[in-house]
Amino acid sequence: AIRMTQSPSSFSASTGDRVTITCRASQGISSYLAWYQQKPGKAPKLLIYAASTLQSGVPSRFSGSGSGTDFTLTISCLQSEDFATYYCQQYYSYPQLTFGGGTKVEIK
Amino acid sequence: QLQLQESGPGLVKPSETLSLTCTVSGGSISSSSYYWGWIRQPPGKGLEWIGSIYYSGSTYYNPSLKSRVTISVDTSKNQFSLKLSSVTAADTAVYYCARLIFWSGYPIPAGWFDPWGQGTLVTVSS
Repeated sequence: AIRMTQSPSSFSASTGDRVTITCRASQGISSYLAWYQQKPGKAPKLLIYAASTLQSGVPSRFSGSGSGTDFTLTISCLQSEDFATYYCQQYYSYPQLTFGGGTKVEIK
Repeated sequence: QLQLQESGPGLVKPSETLSLTCTVSGGSISSSSYYWGWIRQPPGKGLEWIGSIYYSGSTYYNPSLKSRVTISVDTSKNQFSLKLSSVTAADTAVYYCARLIFWSGYPIPAGWFDPWGQGTLVTVSS
C-alpha cells in the first residue's frame, strides 16, 4: 500500500497567516490526490481533488499543488473557521485508498 | 443535494459482528457514475478506508480487514451496508459512509470521497 506522510502533524498559526501543509507519498502518484478538512465531531469535507482542483463552494484561499510524491495544501489567509485537521488521500493505487495521518492547525 | 446517513448499534460486544447501514437520499445509489465507500476513524486518530462497492455489487476491501469485512448494496432501498465480524476493542471507531467519485471515464474504485455521512461511533465493549 502507498503510505502517505503529512508534515507537520500539528502547528499553531494566527488568523491572516499564510500556511502550508505538506503531504508526501511513498511512491509516485501522479496527481491522484485529494485534500479534506475535518472539524471536531464532524465528518471530513472535500476541499481539493486531482491535487489542485478546488471543489465547488470551497473558498479560493485554499489551493493545492504538487505531483509525483510531494504535495502541498496552502491557505493564503487563515480564517477563524479554518482551524481544523487536514488530511490528504491518494487514489493512484486502488482499490486500497490511503490517507495521510493528518495535520492539525491550531490557534496561536 | 445528496445526503448519506449511517445507522446501526453504537455498542457491540467483542467477538460479535458490527453491522451498519448507510441510507442515501437525494440521489440514486444505482448511478453508474459512483462507487460507495466505508471509512473509519478510531478516537483521536486518522482515517482508514474499509472498502468500496459499486451498485452492481462489485466490492473491494482493505487487505488488513478483508477476512472480516462484507459490504453489500440494496438498490431497492437506496442503501449499502457494512458487516465487520469478530470485532475487538481495536475496531472502536467512528464509521463513515461516503460517495466515491472515480476519476476515470469508466468505473474504477479510485477517486475522492464526497459527500460523507455524519458518522456513527461504534464502541466495542462487553
